[in-house]
Amino acid sequence: EAGVTQFPSHSVIEKGQTVTLRCDPISGHDNLYWYRRVMGKEIKFLLHFVKESKQDESGMPNNRFLAERTGGTYSTLKVQPAELEDSGVYFCASSQGGKSSQHFGDGTRLSIL
Amino acid sequence: GESVGLHLPTLSVQEGDNSIINCAYSNSASDYFIWYKQESGKGPQFIIDIRSNMDKRQGQRVTVLLNKTVKHLSLQIAATQPGDSAVYFCAELLYNQGGKLIFGQGTELSVKP
Repeated sequence: EAGVTQFPSHSVIEKGQTVTLRCDPISGHDNLYWYRRVMGKEIKFLLHFVKESKQDESGMPNNRFLAERTGGTYSTLKVQPAELEDSGVYFCASSQGGKSSQHFGDGTRLSIL
Repeated sequence: GESVGLHLPTLSVQEGDNSIINCAYSNSASDYFIWYKQESGKGPQFIIDIRSNMDKRQGQRVTVLLNKTVKHLSLQIAATQPGDSAVYFCAELLYNQGGKLIFGQGTELSVKP
């Protein structure tokens, strides 16, 4: 089966611009999670979808971040406007159930100049 | 609050030696821990997990030890190989919070040939 795919793999934008990251989970996985790792620090939870519903968005840094999962399939994470501190690697993971192993994508490396 | 952290940021071992990577956690209510391996440019990859009602679990060349008394988790890799070079993260899976993961900072393992 295809794994979790993320696009783009790398994005370089200027401060103030908008960027949209995409995640395609494993087919049939209702649970989709976004995480990010900033500058060598730990990987931190951003939010959790079950199908198209946001279950937990307690990790979202601020209202410049907007995540969607229309139709309960792929998800997008938009950053608008991007700030320097948003640089990092954004990971997406999916699982069948909330207690099941999460499968991670290879991440999107976001660089804000 | 909840946190999972690592004692050492880097570890260098000789090929063939055993490696031990440590992790401390603070949430005494946690009931499930996972070790992930992250290679450069890739997403975290599941290695092994352990439930809080166990103190040891073995996989292929890897062993995870859990000491709930001191809230300490370790990953032992036997006969370390160059392919084991990566960043290793411990994580706590929160069953009662939709299965989100709380990660430690990570330890970078370098294997010298």
